[in-house]
Amino acid sequence: QQQVKQSPQSLIVQKGGISIINCAYENTAFDYFPWYQQFPGKGPALLIAIRPDVSEKKEGRFTISFNKSAKQFSLHIMDSQPGDSATYFCAVTTSNSGYALNFGKGTSLLVTP
Amino acid sequence: DTGVSQDPRHKITKRGQNVTFRCDPISEHNRLYWYRQTLGQGPEFLTYFQNEAQLEKSRLLSDRFSAERPKGSFSTLEIQRTEQGDSAMYLCASKRDHYEQYFGPGTRLTVT
Repeated sequence: QQQVKQSPQSLIVQKGGISIINCAYENTAFDYFPWYQQFPGKGPALLIAIRPDVSEKKEGRFTISFNKSAKQFSLHIMDSQPGDSATYFCAVTTSNSGYALNFGKGTSLLVTP
Repeated sequence: DTGVSQDPRHKITKRGQNVTFRCDPISEHNRLYWYRQTLGQGPEFLTYFQNEAQLEKSRLLSDRFSAERPKGSFSTLEIQRTEQGDSAMYLCASKRDHYEQYFGPGTRLTVT
């Protein structure tokens, strides 16, 4: 049973453009929402994370927007670069589960030169 | 390098054989997690430890899977009587309480 639904499955963006990936969840007990970046053959790397007491968090070119009432959150990559081409996963978790992560199915991002 | 390390990075085994993977977490991280990732999917949680205690193991895929963390430091994941469906990337992650979870590079298992 998928705890979080991620879209789109794949995304092509031109260099300098904005990449937007969306995730939706149902369980209101989730209290931590990270995004991971994964390159082929590598483990996922934590990009940015948010807790539900804030609506937005920005770190460099990466921003999470969080809508608690809609139970949705999204990752925005500003000024997308070819080096950003990777698979991105959102995840949800709660302290009740020991912070075991439930991942979305991933979005394959390709940034063209 | 102070990141999470996993050994081996790749393992090819024949169906029916037992395999064991090792994970060394970041020093002082008290929580350790195991995940499985199949091609084109997100990682799937298997089990986790807080120090040496295994606090969740109901998500292990079958009774052929077991994990240990004997002294609260490194951990091992064993798969007995491997099947072709066990072919996947096995990922380990660690964290301290209330902090972010960091992943290792994974062990790629191929069952022939």
